[in-house]
Amino acid sequence: AQKITQTQPGMFVQEKEAVTLDCTYDTSDPSYGLFWYKQPSSGEMIFLIYQGSYDQQNATEGRYSLNFQKARKSANLVISASQLGDSAMYFCAMRDNYGQNFVFGPGTRLSVLP
Amino acid sequence: EAGVAQSPRYKIIEKRQSVAFWCNPISGHATLYWYQQILGQGPKLLIQFQNNGVVDDSQLPKDRFSAERLKGVDSTLKIQPAKLEDSAVYLCASSLATFVGTEKKLFFGSGTQLSVL
Repeated sequence: AQKITQTQPGMFVQEKEAVTLDCTYDTSDPSYGLFWYKQPSSGEMIFLIYQGSYDQQNATEGRYSLNFQKARKSANLVISASQLGDSAMYFCAMRDNYGQNFVFGPGTRLSVLP
Repeated sequence: EAGVAQSPRYKIIEKRQSVAFWCNPISGHATLYWYQQILGQGPKLLIQFQNNGVVDDSQLPKDRFSAERLKGVDSTLKIQPAKLEDSAVYLCASSLATFVGTEKKLFFGSGTQLSVL
């Protein structure tokens, strides 16, 4: 069974600084997809970034980048130049290439300080 | 483009009562998911549909939960009878992917917040 671990229940970062949110995963499938979602206090789930297991380069979307280390089974999210609006819960998720077991981690609460 | 629609937004019921949630995915999206998110936790997949067929319902408590997606469009999730531990936000999501295992993005609805008293 697949599993996602996010070891940081809460993180603080100063506005305009970069922050890394950790995510490790466990799967025996050779092909899979990794996702990061943001959930502000309003409750909506906002897609941030996607990384395929066979993608050669780390994914980037604006201020978000995914530090993908396949051998270590880690998929850390890097947010550059943090903004106050980045304060939210962040979830790492994974699915296998049969589309099943689309699992989410427990999340990390990020607080951006002015 | 209209997003994933869910209703109701909030629901309060007493234990042992029944409740139903409705979801209308983005037009053309073949895959539909129902998640349960208990306060302070990550979403837990309950059931996944590809068109009107079930792909994964391994974590659906089938003695009390049921879901259907007639005609491969909108979907209904039902709880009967509800228990106190069912208090959670129920999220619906959809994906454009027509082949299972190729999803690169899930679109989520606003969720239904259920309180069981």
